[in-house]
Amino acid sequence: QVHLVQSGGGVVQPGGSLRLSCAVSGFTFNNYAMHWVRQPPGKGLDWVAMISYDGSNKYYAQSVKGRFAISRDNSKDTLHLQMDSLRAEDTAVYYCARVHGSGSYHFDSWGQGTLVTVSS
Amino acid sequence: DIVMTQTPDSLAVSLGDRATINCKSSQSVFYSSTNKNYLGWYQQKPGQPPKLLIYLASTRESGVPDRFSGSGSGTDFTLTINNLQAEDVAVYYCHQYFNTPDSFGQGTKLEIK
Repeated sequence: QVHLVQSGGGVVQPGGSLRLSCAVSGFTFNNYAMHWVRQPPGKGLDWVAMISYDGSNKYYAQSVKGRFAISRDNSKDTLHLQMDSLRAEDTAVYYCARVHGSGSYHFDSWGQGTLVTVSS
Repeated sequence: DIVMTQTPDSLAVSLGDRATINCKSSQSVFYSSTNKNYLGWYQQKPGQPPKLLIYLASTRESGVPDRFSGSGSGTDFTLTINNLQAEDVAVYYCHQYFNTPDSFGQGTKLEIK
Protein backbone atom coordinates (compact mmCIF):
# COMPACT_ATOMS: atom_id res chain seq x y z
CA GLN A 1 0.00 0.00 0.00
CA VAL A 2 1.26 3.43 -0.95
CA HIS A 3 2.17 5.72 1.96
CA LEU A 4 3.52 9.26 1.98
CA VAL A 5 4.37 10.47 5.49
CA GLN A 6 5.32 14.09 5.93
CA SER A 7 7.36 15.82 8.63
CA GLY A 8 9.13 19.08 9.31
CA GLY A 9 6.43 21.72 9.56
CA GLY A 10 6.16 24.33 12.29
CA VAL A 11 6.31 28.00 13.17
CA VAL A 12 9.13 30.14 11.79
CA GLN A 13 9.84 33.86 11.75
CA PRO A 14 9.83 35.84 8.51
CA GLY A 15 13.17 35.42 6.77
CA GLY A 16 13.73 32.05 8.41
CA SER A 17 14.15 28.58 6.97
CA LEU A 18 12.40 25.25 7.25
CA ARG A 19 12.89 21.86 5.64
CA LEU A 20 9.97 19.59 4.86
CA SER A 21 10.32 15.87 4.27
CA CYS A 22 8.07 13.25 2.71
CA ALA A 23 9.02 9.64 3.42
CA VAL A 24 7.40 7.15 1.07
CA SER A 25 6.76 3.42 1.16
CA GLY A 26 4.80 0.82 -0.74
CA PHE A 27 6.18 1.65 -4.18
CA THR A 28 9.46 2.05 -6.05
CA PHE A 29 10.20 5.70 -5.29
CA ASN A 30 12.83 6.19 -7.98
CA ASN A 31 10.27 5.40 -10.70
CA TYR A 32 8.04 8.38 -9.91
CA ALA A 33 8.15 12.15 -10.29
CA MET A 34 6.97 14.04 -7.21
CA HIS A 35 5.39 17.41 -6.48
CA TRP A 36 4.79 19.79 -3.59
CA VAL A 37 1.41 21.56 -3.42
CA ARG A 38 0.37 24.03 -0.73
CA GLN A 39 -2.92 25.33 0.62
CA PRO A 40 -3.11 28.60 2.55
CA PRO A 41 -5.60 28.52 5.44
CA GLY A 42 -9.16 28.51 4.10
CA LYS A 43 -8.01 28.77 0.49
CA GLY A 44 -7.45 26.56 -2.55
CA LEU A 45 -4.61 24.41 -3.83
CA ASP A 46 -1.45 26.08 -5.12
CA TRP A 47 1.25 24.18 -6.99
CA VAL A 48 4.77 24.74 -5.61
CA ALA A 49 7.42 22.53 -7.20
CA MET A 50 8.11 19.34 -9.12
CA ILE A 51 11.07 16.97 -9.39
CA SER A 52 11.61 14.23 -11.95
CA TYR A 53 12.05 10.60 -10.95
CA ASP A 54 15.84 10.83 -10.96
CA GLY A 55 16.15 14.40 -9.68
CA SER A 56 17.58 15.71 -12.94
CA ASN A 57 14.70 18.10 -13.66
CA LYS A 58 13.17 20.55 -11.20
CA TYR A 59 10.47 23.19 -11.69
CA TYR A 60 9.17 25.88 -9.38
CA ALA A 61 6.26 28.25 -9.09
CA GLN A 62 7.34 31.82 -9.75
CA SER A 63 6.33 32.77 -6.21
CA VAL A 64 8.96 30.47 -4.65
CA LYS A 65 11.70 30.40 -7.29
CA GLY A 66 15.07 31.25 -5.79
CA ARG A 67 13.82 30.68 -2.22
CA PHE A 68 12.67 27.05 -2.21
CA ALA A 69 14.59 23.97 -3.34
CA ILE A 70 13.07 20.58 -4.06
CA SER A 71 15.28 17.50 -3.77
CA ARG A 72 15.05 13.76 -3.33
CA ASP A 73 17.14 10.98 -1.86
CA ASN A 74 16.22 7.85 -3.80
CA SER A 75 18.42 5.73 -1.53
CA LYS A 76 16.22 6.74 1.42
CA ASP A 77 12.87 6.99 -0.40
CA THR A 78 12.47 10.56 0.76
CA LEU A 79 11.44 13.84 -0.87
CA HIS A 80 12.47 17.20 0.58
CA LEU A 81 11.50 20.85 0.28
CA GLN A 82 14.04 23.35 1.61
CA MET A 83 12.31 26.65 2.24
CA ASP A 84 14.45 29.76 2.81
CA SER A 85 13.66 33.47 3.13
CA LEU A 86 10.18 32.57 4.27
CA ARG A 87 7.41 35.15 4.06
CA ALA A 88 4.03 35.47 5.74
CA GLU A 89 2.37 34.53 2.46
CA ASP A 90 4.13 31.15 2.54
CA THR A 91 1.92 30.17 5.48
CA ALA A 92 0.04 27.09 4.33
CA VAL A 93 -0.47 23.37 4.67
CA TYR A 94 2.11 21.75 2.40
CA TYR A 95 1.39 18.43 0.68
CA CYS A 96 3.70 16.09 -1.17
CA ALA A 97 2.09 14.23 -4.05
CA ARG A 98 3.06 11.37 -6.33
CA VAL A 99 2.70 11.60 -10.10
CA HIS A 100 0.87 8.63 -11.57
CA GLY A 101 3.01 8.30 -14.69
CA SER A 102 2.13 5.70 -17.34
CA GLY A 103 0.63 8.20 -19.75
CA SER A 104 -1.09 10.49 -17.25
CA TYR A 105 0.55 12.90 -14.86
CA HIS A 106 -2.18 13.43 -12.31
CA PHE A 107 -1.47 13.14 -8.59
CA ASP A 108 -2.64 9.72 -7.45
CA SER A 109 -1.35 9.75 -3.86
CA TRP A 110 -0.90 12.56 -1.35
CA GLY A 111 0.83 13.00 1.99
CA GLN A 112 -1.20 13.93 5.03
CA GLY A 113 -0.05 17.55 4.90
CA THR A 114 2.12 19.60 7.22
CA LEU A 115 1.39 23.13 8.43
CA VAL A 116 3.99 25.85 7.98
CA THR A 117 3.28 29.10 9.81
CA VAL A 118 5.45 32.12 9.09
CA SER A 119 4.90 34.68 11.82
CA SER A 120 6.84 36.93 14.15
CA ASP B 1 0.59 29.63 -17.60
CA ILE B 2 -2.80 27.92 -17.81
CA VAL B 3 -5.52 29.43 -15.64
CA MET B 4 -8.29 27.13 -14.44
CA THR B 5 -11.69 28.63 -13.59
CA GLN B 6 -14.43 26.67 -11.87
CA THR B 7 -18.11 27.49 -11.72
CA PRO B 8 -19.94 27.84 -9.48
CA ASP B 9 -17.85 28.71 -6.41
CA SER B 10 -20.43 26.93 -4.27
CA LEU B 11 -23.64 25.01 -4.71
CA ALA B 12 -26.26 23.32 -2.58
CA VAL B 13 -27.98 20.20 -3.86
CA SER B 14 -30.63 17.98 -2.32
CA LEU B 15 -29.81 14.42 -1.32
CA GLY B 16 -30.40 12.10 -4.25
CA ASP B 17 -30.17 14.88 -6.83
CA ARG B 18 -27.42 15.68 -9.33
CA ALA B 19 -24.55 18.11 -8.79
CA THR B 20 -22.68 19.62 -11.73
CA ILE B 21 -19.38 21.45 -11.47
CA ASN B 22 -17.71 23.11 -14.43
CA CYS B 23 -14.05 23.82 -15.11
CA LYS B 24 -12.66 25.95 -17.91
CA SER B 25 -8.99 26.21 -18.86
CA SER B 26 -7.46 29.30 -20.45
CA GLN B 27 -5.93 27.11 -23.15
CA SER B 28 -6.57 23.61 -24.39
CA VAL B 29 -5.30 20.71 -22.27
CA PHE B 30 -5.88 18.24 -25.10
CA TYR B 31 -2.71 16.65 -26.46
CA SER B 32 -3.40 15.56 -30.03
CA SER B 33 -0.54 13.09 -30.29
CA THR B 34 -2.00 11.02 -27.44
CA ASN B 35 -5.64 11.99 -27.96
CA LYS B 36 -5.93 12.68 -24.24
CA ASN B 37 -7.09 15.56 -22.07
CA TYR B 38 -4.71 16.15 -19.18
CA LEU B 39 -7.34 17.12 -16.64
CA GLY B 40 -8.12 15.66 -13.23
CA TRP B 41 -10.71 16.14 -10.49
CA TYR B 42 -10.11 15.89 -6.74
CA GLN B 43 -12.35 15.85 -3.69
CA GLN B 44 -11.18 17.43 -0.44
CA LYS B 45 -12.89 17.10 2.91
CA PRO B 46 -11.95 19.28 5.91
CA GLY B 47 -8.63 18.37 7.49
CA GLN B 48 -7.81 15.85 4.77
CA PRO B 49 -5.57 15.87 1.70
CA PRO B 50 -7.21 15.93 -1.71
CA LYS B 51 -8.44 12.60 -3.05
CA LEU B 52 -8.26 11.75 -6.73
CA LEU B 53 -11.63 11.10 -8.36
CA ILE B 54 -11.14 11.42 -12.11
CA TYR B 55 -8.11 11.63 -14.41
CA LEU B 56 -7.68 12.10 -18.16
CA ALA B 57 -10.94 14.07 -17.93
CA SER B 58 -13.22 11.04 -17.75
CA THR B 59 -11.41 8.03 -16.25
CA ARG B 60 -12.66 7.17 -12.79
CA GLU B 61 -10.00 6.27 -10.24
CA SER B 62 -10.24 2.76 -8.81
CA GLY B 63 -12.62 2.61 -5.86
CA VAL B 64 -14.46 5.82 -6.70
CA PRO B 65 -18.25 5.30 -6.80
CA ASP B 66 -19.74 5.30 -10.29
CA ARG B 67 -22.04 8.19 -9.38
CA PHE B 68 -18.98 10.37 -10.05
CA SER B 69 -18.28 11.04 -13.72
CA GLY B 70 -16.18 13.44 -15.74
CA SER B 71 -16.66 14.77 -19.24
CA GLY B 72 -15.43 17.41 -21.64
CA SER B 73 -12.51 18.11 -23.93
CA GLY B 74 -10.18 20.91 -24.92
CA THR B 75 -10.98 23.76 -22.56
CA ASP B 76 -14.35 22.86 -21.04
CA PHE B 77 -14.89 20.10 -18.52
CA THR B 78 -17.60 18.92 -16.14
CA LEU B 79 -17.70 16.83 -12.99
CA THR B 80 -21.12 15.29 -12.42
CA ILE B 81 -22.21 13.66 -9.18
CA ASN B 82 -25.44 11.69 -9.52
CA ASN B 83 -27.62 10.59 -6.60
CA LEU B 84 -25.88 12.94 -4.17
CA GLN B 85 -24.99 11.38 -0.83
CA ALA B 86 -24.25 13.09 2.48
CA GLU B 87 -20.62 11.96 2.31
CA ASP B 88 -20.15 13.90 -0.94
CA VAL B 89 -20.09 17.19 0.97
CA ALA B 90 -16.62 18.54 0.18
CA VAL B 91 -14.67 21.00 -1.92
CA TYR B 92 -13.92 19.85 -5.47
CA TYR B 93 -10.93 20.95 -7.55
CA CYS B 94 -10.00 20.53 -11.18
CA HIS B 95 -6.30 20.24 -12.07
CA GLN B 96 -4.52 20.61 -15.37
CA TYR B 97 -1.28 18.71 -15.84
CA PHE B 98 -0.95 19.43 -19.55
CA ASN B 99 2.11 21.55 -18.91
CA THR B 100 4.27 22.97 -16.14
CA PRO B 101 3.38 24.82 -14.00
CA ASP B 102 0.46 22.61 -13.01
CA SER B 103 -2.57 24.61 -11.95
CA PHE B 104 -5.81 24.08 -10.05
CA GLY B 105 -9.22 25.64 -10.19
CA GLN B 106 -10.19 27.76 -7.20
CA GLY B 107 -12.47 25.05 -5.85
CA THR B 108 -16.22 24.48 -5.65
CA LYS B 109 -17.82 23.93 -2.28
CA LEU B 110 -20.64 21.39 -2.40
CA GLU B 111 -23.26 21.35 0.36
CA ILE B 112 -26.55 19.63 1.02
CA LYS B 113 -29.69 21.69 0.49
